[in-house]
Amino acid sequence: QKEVEQDPGPLSVPEGAIVSLNCTYSNSAFQYFMWYRQYSRKGPELLMYTYSSGNKEDGRFTAQVDKSSKYISLFIRDSQPSDSATYLCAMSAISGTYKYIFGTGTRLKVLA
Amino acid sequence: DGGITQSPKYLFRKEGQNVTLSCEQNLNHDAMYWYRQDPGQGLRLIYYSQIVNDFQKGDIAEGYSVSREKKESFPLTVTSAQKNPTAFYLCASSPWTGSNQPQHFGDGTRLSIL
Repeated sequence: QKEVEQDPGPLSVPEGAIVSLNCTYSNSAFQYFMWYRQYSRKGPELLMYTYSSGNKEDGRFTAQVDKSSKYISLFIRDSQPSDSATYLCAMSAISGTYKYIFGTGTRLKVLA
Repeated sequence: DGGITQSPKYLFRKEGQNVTLSCEQNLNHDAMYWYRQDPGQGLRLIYYSQIVNDFQKGDIAEGYSVSREKKESFPLTVTSAQKNPTAFYLCASSPWTGSNQPQHFGDGTRLSIL
């Protein structure tokens, strides 16, 4: 079993829809959770960064962490064609380690 | 503009050849990282460096080498010993290597075999 599982998609939604992207994980030591957006032929861009459980909102994006279920989510409200990209989750333990574990990414297509 | 610059964008390697990928950052970050990205797989760590003149192997270091002679620069050499080098290579940096310091990425180098 992989430490981090992420549905590869592709996920196709109409413009304006609410998008839910998810990752599950197995290591209860993970405390830091990141979401990156990666456009084709580009590097990942940090979207959201959260510590421990709870929600964090930034504009149209909301990151949610449920440590009891080992489940994290990224919600995108009022999705736009420019949101079409691959979304990567990443997580790290609290011990000061350099080590991030990445999901394989979910490809999202927002149709105009 | 602060950021991470990777060059070249595309690189081709012949059999038996070593090639070097460049990574430069002007963010004044102490820590730098090299990852490999393959289709259907998460990013895998090749090497990382916490300070100048120091670096550590990641999960898939075999067939790769690095140097860290300057804070701004962390070049990666893909040696002939790396039998499956075709991939997208990503360089990242963070202020230091603590978990609470998110990593920021360059735009990658795509390496292919001729």
